[in-house]
Amino acid sequence: GAVVSQHPSWVICKSGTSVKIECRSLDFQATTMFWYRQFPKQSLMLMATSNEGSKATYEQGVEKDKFLINHASLTLSTLTVTSAHPEDSSFYICSGKGSGHLNTEAFFGQGTRLTVV
Amino acid sequence: AQTVTQSQPEMSVQEAETVTLSCTYDTSESDYYLFWYKQPPSRQMILVIRQEAYKQQNATENRFSVNFQKAAKSFSLKISDSQLGDAAMYFCAYRSAGGNEKLTFGTGTRLTIIP
Repeated sequence: GAVVSQHPSWVICKSGTSVKIECRSLDFQATTMFWYRQFPKQSLMLMATSNEGSKATYEQGVEKDKFLINHASLTLSTLTVTSAHPEDSSFYICSGKGSGHLNTEAFFGQGTRLTVV
Repeated sequence: AQTVTQSQPEMSVQEAETVTLSCTYDTSESDYYLFWYKQPPSRQMILVIRQEAYKQQNATENRFSVNFQKAAKSFSLKISDSQLGDAAMYFCAYRSAGGNEKLTFGTGTRLTIIP
């Protein structure tokens, strides 16, 4: 299967600072990138969907000014948590989808554990 | 909107035995995909098996198979010859075949393998 590399795998930041999470599709072109958030012992909740070169579409209740998503190329998408607060502490996962035979499956990154202190 | 329900928060099975995880979904669409994902303690999401709704034949991947009942909107996962490495959270997921291609996940089932 195709590979999505997500970094960092974990990060601790101070309250009020910003944190950037990167997802790179290593061997395919990710035309669409999905960003999820997962609280402990819960399921994945979709935050936003981004298509390369377009503005992201955010799910209801997700603050677009707080969670900035950039998908400027077919191999890189970033999620920036701005002015992070302890309640933003969570596990964030990206998944990329390609075209053609890579369209029917989403390939997940390893996830990023964010802790805001 | 589509919903996915996993009614078993936790399941356990003896090593080498067979276990079935349940999943039901609700949709008005006729063409869609269903998935089972495994999330081990590393939290990496791993695709276990995929089913296209238009296919009547149940998908099979080695020890993993599904029982897809389209009319009943049921999509259960059977794990045969359970192994210690099968211990994980299992998520059932739905995806439209049309323009809205996001995955909708169930709440998950934690599977424990008893040695």
